[in-house]
Amino acid sequence: QLQLQESGPGLVKPSETLSLTCSVSGGSVSSSSYYWGWVRQPPGKGLEWIGSVYYSGSTTYNPSLKSRVSVSVHTSENHFALKLSSVTAADTAEYFCARGPAENYDLRSGHWVGAFDIWGQGTMVTVSS
Amino acid sequence: DIQMTQSPSSLSAAVGDRVTITCRASESIGKWVAWYQKKPGKAPKLLIYQASSLESEAPSRFSGSGSGTEFTLSISSLQPDDFATYYCQQCNTYPVTFGGGTKVEIK
Repeated sequence: QLQLQESGPGLVKPSETLSLTCSVSGGSVSSSSYYWGWVRQPPGKGLEWIGSVYYSGSTTYNPSLKSRVSVSVHTSENHFALKLSSVTAADTAEYFCARGPAENYDLRSGHWVGAFDIWGQGTMVTVSS
Repeated sequence: DIQMTQSPSSLSAAVGDRVTITCRASESIGKWVAWYQKKPGKAPKLLIYQASSLESEAPSRFSGSGSGTEFTLSISSLQPDDFATYYCQQCNTYPVTFGGGTKVEIK
């Protein structure tokens, strides 16, 4: 059974870069049937999609974060990663990695879009000096 | 971006009650809505995809309906394990967006 596990620092200083890895077990990030994404939830707030990557390396990002975010896939190591630069306290959140079935292709934007069916347990990242 | 407006933002219900949560999209999104259950400290759990399809591990008391701009999630008989926050997500158009959530509390 596919499992996802986030890893990375729990504390990041303001203006620095948040880096997280999502390790995939029981399946492969190289599957053409899925894309891989990141979602976050700030304390007391709702869910926010951050970005996604397809096995080919094609990426799509939330426009509100696009200038600061990078998502990459590493097929040889079977994981994918998130980098968020110039963080502030507003980036304090629980970060989740997730898998999405590649079932709906948005022709207007040229991106895979869809739900997330399998999630990692999440990792809390606090931005503070 | 497509806005997803959930209502109510919270509700109180008793075990055994039928519960209905609504999500309205700011423009038509066909059938492309998913519903999740979220508990504190846990990952979101996919319940419904494509508006009405039950995820394989979700209990059958959960159901979804709707198309276009209005969608509902129903719980036929609320169980103790169902007290949580529920989120809708539009999966039709980039960027995907979530509703604000509906917290289901014990009455």
